Amino acid sequence: KQEVTQIPAALSVPEGENLVLNCSFTDSAIYNLQWFRQDPGKGLTSLLLIQSSQREQTSGRLNASLDKSSGRSTLYIAASQPGDSATYLCAGLSGGYQKVTFGIGTKLQVIP
Amino acid sequence: ETGVTQTPRHLVMGMTNKKSLKCEQHLGHNAMYWYKQSAKKPLELMFVYNFKEQTENNSVPSRFSPECPNSSHLFLHLHTLQPEDSALYLCASSQDLVSNSNQPQHFGDGTRLSIL
Repeated sequence: KQEVTQIPAALSVPEGENLVLNCSFTDSAIYNLQWFRQDPGKGLTSLLLIQSSQREQTSGRLNASLDKSSGRSTLYIAASQPGDSATYLCAGLSGGYQKVTFGIGTKLQVIP
Repeated sequence: ETGVTQTPRHLVMGMTNKKSLKCEQHLGHNAMYWYKQSAKKPLELMFVYNFKEQTENNSVPSRFSPECPNSSHLFLHLHTLQPEDSALYLCASSQDLVSNSNQPQHFGDGTRLSIL
């Protein structure tokens, strides 16, 4: 059974800082790994999706990497802004189970 | 605007009430999903529909009854709920089943459900 862990649960950084959010998963037979953003009282917004054959994906100031052998994914946010404050969730689709498993998320606060 | 609309946004109901949650997607997707999000717990997949047919029921209690009349609409009928059912219920859609493609899921803003 796939388990997805995100550490830390919360993170506070000053504006302009580069930061890394971590996601680990137990089943290396992962089909893809997706990063989402969730604002308070809102649903999830897809940020980046990395297929198992890829090692990273980039969108603007965001870069996500995937290392299947170590069971880890990271989301790198460059030059953080207060508008980046939100909860970030990762989710893995396991080929063996054909369903998406979510982490609990990391709550990010960027301080002006 | 995500293209997935959920109503109502908030719902308070007693344990003996019957209510329904509605989800509508304007993206032309074929697959739709219901998730439950409780505080400090990961999202839990409840139901999956593909081309109006239910493909997965993730051991959800029968007090939750899904309905998918067409590929654009998804309902979750609620009856005789328990206090532990209080949560944010999220609807999502994707072009095809996530298990068959690398298409991302698009989420609605959810219905915040409180059971008294």
